[in-house]
Amino acid sequence: EGQLVQSGAEVKKPGESLRISCKGSGYNFSAYWINWVRQKPGNGLEWMGRINPTDSYVNYSPSFQGHVTMSVDMSVNTAYLQWNSLKASDTAIYYCARLRHGVWYFDLWGRGTLVTVPS
Amino acid sequence: QSVLTQPPSVSAAPGQKVTISCSGSSSNIGNNYISWYQQLPGSAPKLLIYDNNKRPSGIPDRFSGSKSGTSATLGITGLQTGDEAEYYCATWDRSLNSVFGGGTKLTVL
Repeated sequence: EGQLVQSGAEVKKPGESLRISCKGSGYNFSAYWINWVRQKPGNGLEWMGRINPTDSYVNYSPSFQGHVTMSVDMSVNTAYLQWNSLKASDTAIYYCARLRHGVWYFDLWGRGTLVTVPS
Repeated sequence: QSVLTQPPSVSAAPGQKVTISCSGSSSNIGNNYISWYQQLPGSAPKLLIYDNNKRPSGIPDRFSGSKSGTSATLGITGLQTGDEAEYYCATWDRSLNSVFGGGTKLTVL
């Protein structure tokens, strides 16, 4: 079945950098894309992009291209989402979700990481 | 403004049936599978329906999905108070970007 374990909540200042993580276990990590989904307080789900763990190819949503960086370390079955300079508008819960190659649905989600950037 | 359009809220009494619509276009729903997710309060989303009308193991047959053209529908029968949640539809566009609906809050009166 598997699970995705995300790093803990973060409180950062505007302009600071941040990297959050999503560790896969209990399944073949290389067989699934890792996707990132943002949920701002009181709002819906926004797809940010996906990364292929086997070759680190990233497909960013146009809305997030240039604002975040996705990466992966296959040696520890972990995907990362990184910001170089946080803004107050980045305050949200960030979920990772897996997507098996060749299918079109997210069958497993992490519990989310709350990122707070006070204005 | 979400690419896929869902009603903001629906409500029904326990035991009744409710449907949630999801409207898109030929560049998204019209050319790819729909999936549906349930997000209980304070929890992560959970896969409810995939490939338009299939249920993962463990999802009761009270939940059903359908798709016609550029629209899709989630149906829930025998409503229970535990079904109160936000429901999201999702699909992919021609550039293989995923798109979500704005979400529908289900209230079981």
